[in-house]
Amino acid sequence: AQTVTQSQPEMSVQEAETVTLSCTYDTSENNYYLFWYKQPPSRQMILVIRQEAYKQQNATENRFSVNFQKAAKSFSLKISDSQLGDTAMYFCAFILNRDDKIIFGKGTRLHILP
Amino acid sequence: SQTIHQWPATLVQPVGSPLSLECTVEGTSNPNLYWYRQAAGRGLQLLFYSVGIGQISSEVPQNLSASRPQDRQFILSSKKLLLSDSGFYLCAWKKLDPTGPFFGPGTRLTVL
Repeated sequence: AQTVTQSQPEMSVQEAETVTLSCTYDTSENNYYLFWYKQPPSRQMILVIRQEAYKQQNATENRFSVNFQKAAKSFSLKISDSQLGDTAMYFCAFILNRDDKIIFGKGTRLHILP
Repeated sequence: SQTIHQWPATLVQPVGSPLSLECTVEGTSNPNLYWYRQAAGRGLQLLFYSVGIGQISSEVPQNLSASRPQDRQFILSSKKLLLSDSGFYLCAWKKLDPTGPFFGPGTRLTVL
């Protein structure tokens, strides 16, 4: 069975700093997608970034980038120049190409401090 | 562009009452549809998913059920709510390529 692990339940960083959120996953398959979602206090789930497993190049969306290490089954999210609006729960998620289920980690609560 | 709607936004129901939550997607066809539940401060639990009209897969045995009467409509139901059904219910959709998954705004359910 596929699993997603986020080992940091909670983190705090100062505004403008860079922060990295960790995610590891477990699968024996090669074809899958990985995602990071942001859930602010409104509880709306927002797709932040997506990575296809067959792509070696790390995905980037503005201040958000990932470090995808397929052999290590690691998919960390880096937030550069963090802003107060980045305060949220962040969830790592995984989908197999052959499957339809979206598997989520338990989340990391990130606080950006002024 | 695609949008996903959920209603109601909030709901307070007594124990033992029925439930019907609705999710609709606009701007796409034949999406995969999902129902998740999130307890306060917790992760997301997959309840049901559907790959087509009338096709429902259940992940967790419970007193909830789901139906997909139309391509872009997904309904979560219960005949008798339990206290443990309280939570935040999220609907999501994705395509096979995959586009998404994208989530709706959610429904906050309180069972008293």
